[in-house]
Amino acid sequence: RKEVEQDPGPFNVPEGATVAFNCTYSNSASQSFFWYRQDCRKEPKLLMSVYSSGNEDGRFTAQLNRASQYISLLIRDSKLSDSATYLCVPPGFSGGYNKLIFGAGTRLAVHP
Amino acid sequence: DGGITQSPKYLFRKEGQNVTLSCEQNLNHDAMYWYRQDPGQGLRLIYYSQIVNDFQKGDIAEGYSVSREKKESFPLTVTSAQKNPTAFYLCASSISPDSGYTFGSGTRLTVV
Repeated sequence: RKEVEQDPGPFNVPEGATVAFNCTYSNSASQSFFWYRQDCRKEPKLLMSVYSSGNEDGRFTAQLNRASQYISLLIRDSKLSDSATYLCVPPGFSGGYNKLIFGAGTRLAVHP
Repeated sequence: DGGITQSPKYLFRKEGQNVTLSCEQNLNHDAMYWYRQDPGQGLRLIYYSQIVNDFQKGDIAEGYSVSREKKESFPLTVTSAQKNPTAFYLCASSISPDSGYTFGSGTRLTVV
C-alpha cells in the first residue's frame, strides 16, 4: 500500500456546489496532517493543518478518521477561485527524521 | 517579510552541464527540503536537511548533490549524471514537520 493515496479526480463542479476529497495513509504513527493547495505552475501553499479529529476554516472542513487511516477535505459553496490541485500530506518517518510525504493531488475545476 | 526565495525562476541546461539552483530562507527554520515535480505528477523528495552541515538523501537523490553550510541556504546541484532533469524544482523549509512546510516559488529547469 502506498504511504498516501488520493482520489486523482478531476472533479468538475458548478459554482456553489459542495465537494469532498479523500485521502488514505498507511503510516499509523502520523500525528498531524495537512492539506495544501497548488495552482497551475505554482508552488503548493498550506491550506489547512489538522492535529486532532478535524478542523474547520470558513468553507473548508478537514476531518480525520484514525481507525480507518483516512482524512477528507470538504469544500462548501465552491468558488471559481477554488479551482486548483489539492495535496494531502501526512507526516512520514525516515532514518529518524520526520519528513512530509505528498500525495499526487486531486484536481478540482469549478465552472460557472 | 520572512520567506523562502528560489532562483533563478527559469533555467536552461545543456547536455553534460552541471547547474546549481539557489534556495535561501530568512524564516530561521532549521529544516530544508528539495522536491522535484514532473508535469501532472506529485512531489518527490530529492534531499533534506534537518540542521546545518547535515543532509539526507530522499527518494530520488541520484544525479543530485546538496550542501548546507549555512542555516539560511540549501543549494541543489543538478549534475550531468541526472539523465532526465527537466522538471519543476521546489525548495521548502519548516521549523518542524508538525508545523508544515513553506515553499519557494520554484525553479523550472529545461534541458536544451
